[in-house]
Amino acid sequence: KAGVTQTPRYLIKTRGQQVTLSCSPISGHRSVSWYQQTPGQGLQFLFEYFSETQRNKGNFPGRFSGRQFSNSRSEMNVSTLELGDSALYLCASSLGDTFYEQYFGPGTRLTVT
Amino acid sequence: AQSVAQPEDQVNVAEGNPLTVKCTYSVSGNPYLFWYVQYPNRGLQFLLKYITGDNLVKGSYGFEAEFNKSQTSFHLKKPSALVSDSALYFCAVRVVAYSGAGSYQLTFGKGTKLSVIP
Repeated sequence: KAGVTQTPRYLIKTRGQQVTLSCSPISGHRSVSWYQQTPGQGLQFLFEYFSETQRNKGNFPGRFSGRQFSNSRSEMNVSTLELGDSALYLCASSLGDTFYEQYFGPGTRLTVT
Repeated sequence: AQSVAQPEDQVNVAEGNPLTVKCTYSVSGNPYLFWYVQYPNRGLQFLLKYITGDNLVKGSYGFEAEFNKSQTSFHLKKPSALVSDSALYFCAVRVVAYSGAGSYQLTFGKGTKLSVIP
């Protein structure tokens, strides 16, 4: 089975711009979660989608949003980028129940200048 | 609120020696515990999990972990370390309330950098 794929892998944006990141889960997985990884804050949960519905949301400002499509693919959007948004954004998919592990993609490295 | 602590930022071990990476957790409810490994410029790879049952869990690449409810710990172990085990290791917890309601959010520790010295 193909793993979780994320596009693009690298991205450079300017403050104030917006960005959209894409994630394709493992085939058959209906849950997609997004995480932000930075050296200072570590791994922080952004949100989780299951069957096109947001089930859980972390403590991030409203500039961070996401959605999931009927084929389970997911996108996250960050508007009005700030320097502090520079991070590795990781997407993970799972079968959906709490006892299932998540499988992570390679991440999108976002740099905001 | 749930939290995970990995008390050591870095662990150094000689190749062939046993290794332990420590993890403690704090939750209100039943914990589901996970270990992940991250190699440079890569995403996280799943190693093993504890959901219920036997406290000793075996996972990928010869790793195992022991769930200790009284000490709220879930330490990762391997009997004989390899240089290729050098990476960043993350412990994570997901909480299931006593009512059975689950939280889908994974809370991660800060990570422990493991260096295996040849």
